Amino acid sequence: AQKVTQAQTEISVVEKEDVTLDCVYETRDTTYYLFWYKQPPSGELVFLIRRNSFDEQNEISGRYSWNFQKSTSSFNFTITASQVVDSAVYFCALSGFSGGYNKLIFGAGTRLAVHP
Amino acid sequence: EAGVAQSPRYKIIEKRQSVAFWCNPISGHATLYWYQQILGQGPKLLIQFQNNGVVDDSQLPKDRFSAERLKGVDSTLKIQPAKLEDSAVYLCASSEDRGTEAFFGQGTRLTVV
Repeated sequence: AQKVTQAQTEISVVEKEDVTLDCVYETRDTTYYLFWYKQPPSGELVFLIRRNSFDEQNEISGRYSWNFQKSTSSFNFTITASQVVDSAVYFCALSGFSGGYNKLIFGAGTRLAVHP
Repeated sequence: EAGVAQSPRYKIIEKRQSVAFWCNPISGHATLYWYQQILGQGPKLLIQFQNNGVVDDSQLPKDRFSAERLKGVDSTLKIQPAKLEDSAVYLCASSEDRGTEAFFGQGTRLTVV
């Protein structure tokens, strides 16, 4: 069975603070993919990043960075110098080969509020 | 490149009525997903298509929900009859293939009264 856990329901920070959103996943598959999505107040889910299970290199994109650790089954997301525009709900997702196909499942999400 | 199109954006119906949602995925995308997102929760996968075929519908309440994907392109999701607990946003997404990133439409907000 596949599962994604985002233990932090809500996080509140002041602008310019760094913030890390945690994601822990469970899967029996050896090949799988991990994703982060952003859902701003407008409601549309926006794709941020995709990693495959064979690539544990950390990735940085501007103020965003991702830390993938297979040893702890975690795929954490850090926003450096947060801004008000980062306020949104962030979802971690997992797609693993179960039964011959990839089923894309999501965690419950973390609501991030960045205050000026 | 055009994104995933969904209609309608909003729908209000009375319980026991029926409703249908339509989705047009990104051109060439083989995989299509329907998710239900209840307020404050993460998206829950209802059904996943690979081209014309259903690859997962384990969480689809089949006594009242049905979905089809015509010629491997457009898809419709139907609820008949609706219950109060079906009030949610219904999201359609598509991806090039299994394991690639999924792109989402704006969703249909359903309110059952």
